[in-house]
Amino acid sequence: GAVVSQHPSRVICKSGTSVKIECRSLDFQATTMFWYRQFPKQSLMLMATSNEGSKATYEQGVEKDKFLINHASLTLSTLTVTSAHPEDSSFYICSARGRGGEGTDTQYFGPGTRLTVL
Amino acid sequence: GENVEQHPSTLSVQEGDSAVIKCTYSDSASNYFPWYKQELGKRPQLIIDIRSNVGEKKDQRIAVTLNKTAKHFSLHITETQPEDSAVYFCAASTGGYQKVTFGTGTKLQVIP
Repeated sequence: GAVVSQHPSRVICKSGTSVKIECRSLDFQATTMFWYRQFPKQSLMLMATSNEGSKATYEQGVEKDKFLINHASLTLSTLTVTSAHPEDSSFYICSARGRGGEGTDTQYFGPGTRLTVL
Repeated sequence: GENVEQHPSTLSVQEGDSAVIKCTYSDSASNYFPWYKQELGKRPQLIIDIRSNVGEKKDQRIAVTLNKTAKHFSLHITETQPEDSAVYFCAASTGGYQKVTFGTGTKLQVIP
């Protein structure tokens, strides 16, 4: 199956700093990438949908100026948490969807990034 | 938008027994229904999916059924094993490049 990597896997930062998380599709071209946040014992909450070469579409309640998304190529999307605060501490997971054929509907998830803001 | 409800939230079964997880969805346009398994601290893994043009799909011990009229779909795991213990999420999508809406998850515990 398709492989999606995410970096870093874990990050601890001080309040007020910015953190960048990378999501890469390793063996397929991802026309669409999704960013989720998952709190302990809860479901995946979609934050935004990122299409290559265009602006991300944010879900209601997600601050676009705080969570900057860049989908610069067909294999890379980045999420930057700007001026992070303790309440931003969470598990951030990206997923990627390929183009065409049977696999178009299928989302492949990255391993996630555990963000802890002190 | 789409709303997906999932039940039960927790499920304990004896090893070898069957487990059933049920989901309902609200958007009649949804036509793609994947199921994911997530172990603690790890990424969700697709275990099976079904499209609206079929009513049932089976893969070894796992099966999924879909009732489009009632807008509900279910995951069936037979002959459960301890390694089946995880959180399972159902999801629904209108397919193509549209977003997937996840259910709230079911924590399955298989007791040896």
